[in-house]
Amino acid sequence: DAKTTQPTSMDCAEGRAANLPCNHSTISGNEYVYWYRQIHSQGPQYIIHGLKNNETNEMASLIITEDRKSSTLILPHATLRDTAVYYCIVRVALSNFGNEKLTFGTGTRLTIIP
Amino acid sequence: GAVVSQHPSRVICKSGTSVKIECRSLDFQATTMFWYRQFPKQSLMLMATSNEGSKATYEQGVEKDKFLINHASLTLSTLTVTSAHPEDSSFYICSARPLTWGDEKLFFGSGTQLSVL
Repeated sequence: DAKTTQPTSMDCAEGRAANLPCNHSTISGNEYVYWYRQIHSQGPQYIIHGLKNNETNEMASLIITEDRKSSTLILPHATLRDTAVYYCIVRVALSNFGNEKLTFGTGTRLTIIP
Repeated sequence: GAVVSQHPSRVICKSGTSVKIECRSLDFQATTMFWYRQFPKQSLMLMATSNEGSKATYEQGVEKDKFLINHASLTLSTLTVTSAHPEDSSFYICSARPLTWGDEKLFFGSGTQLSVL
């Protein structure tokens, strides 16, 4: 799986958009970009994933550059409950019968400031 | 969304005893479950991949005789830490992959904080 690079930590004011960058310059054509987050002392929570088109769901938006070497996770209106470690992971899509695993890097510790 | 239940959420035990952690998929079937370990201020480290009805696959450096994994049904996997020692104190997390949804994500349990005295 391709390696990712994320800033160690970021702060964002409550109510503002939080933009979390991720570099994945060695991503392959069949690898997706996944984002998970982990709130303190809890299991990771799925946020969003995409291949090459921008994606949006009820939690966040994912912007992937045209060359797919980087992406940005956007939390449009950050709240205090969004304080967590955010993990950007690139890997091939999970197949119906595979044992594909997710490998976590160090992630970005996002702190929402009141 | 899919729910993965992990129990217990916290356990304290004496050195030398064994501890069993359960991971259940509540509203879906999972042929594959994954077990992770996380030390304070560190990322999740995959320990093993658990397959229903077969032996688990352990990551390099993880002792299979110390961390016993059983995946007897499509909704339950267990991790037993045998003869636990203080260095085994950690946050253990399981995850599960739905069998038939065709969805490309894993769902995680809420984790188990193990403290070995």
